[in-house]
Amino acid sequence: QSALTQPASVSGSPGQSITISCTGTSSDVGSYNLVSWYQQHPGKAPKLMIYEVSKRPSGVSNRFSGSKSGNTASLTISGLQAEDEADYYCCSYAGSSTNYVFGTGTKVTVL
Amino acid sequence: QVQLQESGPGLVKPSQTLSLTCTVSGGSISSGSYYWSWIRQPAGKGLEWIGRIYTSGSTNYNPSLKSRVTISVDTSKNQFSLKLSSVTAADTAVYYCARGHYGAPFDYWGQGTLVTVSS
Repeated sequence: QSALTQPASVSGSPGQSITISCTGTSSDVGSYNLVSWYQQHPGKAPKLMIYEVSKRPSGVSNRFSGSKSGNTASLTISGLQAEDEADYYCCSYAGSSTNYVFGTGTKVTVL
Repeated sequence: QVQLQESGPGLVKPSQTLSLTCTVSGGSISSGSYYWSWIRQPAGKGLEWIGRIYTSGSTNYNPSLKSRVTISVDTSKNQFSLKLSSVTAADTAVYYCARGHYGAPFDYWGQGTLVTVSS
């Protein structure tokens, strides 16, 4: 099972919106509404930002939103802030044999 | 609020077995429909799911690691553990433990512990 494909880097200015894509296959992203997104600051543990494609855990800013179309999921950060600068990983359920596969990760830079 | 904390040796020799324990506090490991996972991250690289265990003892493993991995749970100690056998330098990574439930596979994480495989 290969990792889900994410762009290596995405950047934006404060206040702008950016979107990170996460491309899988019909065996993972395309088959299940079980995509989650994680934010990771340097030296820290990942933090759950989105689950079940578009749901936000309590305490996560509504500037973060998720969506899915076919085999590609997306994370959008609106009103970009300096604190959003971090690595972001998607993750999808991929069936009972593979279970979970992560994306390759995207470094978000706030210009 | 649930908290997780990894513990174990930071240095393991090649061909030996890596053993880590995750201690859960702030709630019973047996409460709710949760499962408990291990994830690792080599320096400068992405995340890799290792496997998970339900408190019933049922497990699922990453197919690429399945032959070397064992995850177990000790509900009396509110802990779950990871054993990875026949380690090589490629197993050097920060190892995280995490809680999950349907839809949110990793909602709480430990801080991570670095394990280096070297003679």
